Amino acid sequence: EAGVAQSPRYKIIEKRQSVAFWCNPISGHATLYWYQQILGQGPKLLIQFQNNGVVDDSQLPKDRFSAERLKGVDSTLKIQPAKLEDSAVYLCASSGRGTNTIYFGEGSWLTVV
Amino acid sequence: KQEVTQIPAALSVPEGENLVLNCSFTDSAIYNLQWFRQDPGKGLTSLLLIQSSQREQTSGRLNASLDKSSGRSTLYIAASQPGDSATYLCAVRRGTGGFKTIFGAGTRLFVKA
Repeated sequence: EAGVAQSPRYKIIEKRQSVAFWCNPISGHATLYWYQQILGQGPKLLIQFQNNGVVDDSQLPKDRFSAERLKGVDSTLKIQPAKLEDSAVYLCASSGRGTNTIYFGEGSWLTVV
Repeated sequence: KQEVTQIPAALSVPEGENLVLNCSFTDSAIYNLQWFRQDPGKGLTSLLLIQSSQREQTSGRLNASLDKSSGRSTLYIAASQPGDSATYLCAVRRGTGGFKTIFGAGTRLFVKA
């Protein structure tokens, strides 16, 4: 079974530029999560989708971050314009029915300079 | 508001030692609790998931316990090995309101050969 796929793995951009991250969850998983993890901290939930509907986006900085999950499968997280404090790892995860175990991708590392 | 705390923040032990990592949470109305492992530069790998109705789960040298009433979980690692060196995170899923999952900051474990 393929895991959660994310791309790109690494990205360096200048502040005020834009960046987009892509995630493909495990096949059949209805719930998709985007987390932001700053070095030395635990992951912070940015947005949670159930199929293609948003369940929670209370910690998503909506003035600069946006996310979509078209057709209830893969998802894109966009940052525009980026700030220095957005430097972090952006982790995508998914979970299905049953055990509710959350599976994570390898993450997308963003450095804003 | 659910808060998750992990103590200690870092731990260094000699190989072969048994050790306990602690996780506490403020709201006992949880759906489940999951322990993860994170290696440097990698995503999170699920270790154990305990449903709210369960008291413990075991996998190999790992044993996780859950005491909802006191808001605590422990991860016991038996006969530690250098390969166990990683950051261990606990995550609590709420029982209501979208089943949001909140992470602790993690415990960085170093097992010396």
